[in-house]
Amino acid sequence: AQSVTQLDSQVPVFEEAPVELRCNYSSSVSVYLFWYVQYPNQGLQLLLKYLSGSTLVKGINGFEAEFNKSQTSFHLRKPSVHISDTAEYFCAVSKAAGNKLTFGGGTRVLVKP
Amino acid sequence: DAGVTQSPTHLIKTRGQQVTLRCSPKSGHDTVSWYQQALGQGPQFIFQYYEEEERQRGNFPDRFSGHQFPNYSSELNVNALLLGDSALYLCASSGEWVLGEAFFGQGTRLTVV
Repeated sequence: AQSVTQLDSQVPVFEEAPVELRCNYSSSVSVYLFWYVQYPNQGLQLLLKYLSGSTLVKGINGFEAEFNKSQTSFHLRKPSVHISDTAEYFCAVSKAAGNKLTFGGGTRVLVKP
Repeated sequence: DAGVTQSPTHLIKTRGQQVTLRCSPKSGHDTVSWYQQALGQGPQFIFQYYEEEERQRGNFPDRFSGHQFPNYSSELNVNALLLGDSALYLCASSGEWVLGEAFFGQGTRLTVV
């Protein structure tokens, strides 16, 4: 079975400052990794995914994440946040393409002016 | 492309009643998964349907059941509703296995009173 831990439940950050959201996972098999964003009263939107290949993955809206197999981590970063990045962010894993997603508890990002 | 559509958007039911939620997948997608997202938590996998069969199931009681139709749309049924069933129910569709990406709908907010 897989599990995902998002180490920060809330991250306040000033506009134009960088942000890093931490995600650690555990699994007995190789996994695929995802970051999703959820804006208030909406569903989930995929930011980026790691399936294989380069460990640095670039996504939409200027986000990127780095897969670290030895640390079993998949941290999400953005060099300069905007007010519109205020949302909840979820890290997720699956053991195969099309398989069920196991989500972390989420990190709420609040961007302050 | 309408993406994944769910209906209704909001629903209020009384404890003990039964509810049916509906999902139309993104065009070209043949796999539908359902997730329950309690307030302040990450989504939890309920089950997945492919070719009208339940292919995977999460740790949910038999009160939760589903169906997939030949046009790939899906229903989630919950019997004998409990207060704890109050949550956002998310439908996700996927199709191209190699991409490993699930597209989510806006969700149905179920409140059990």
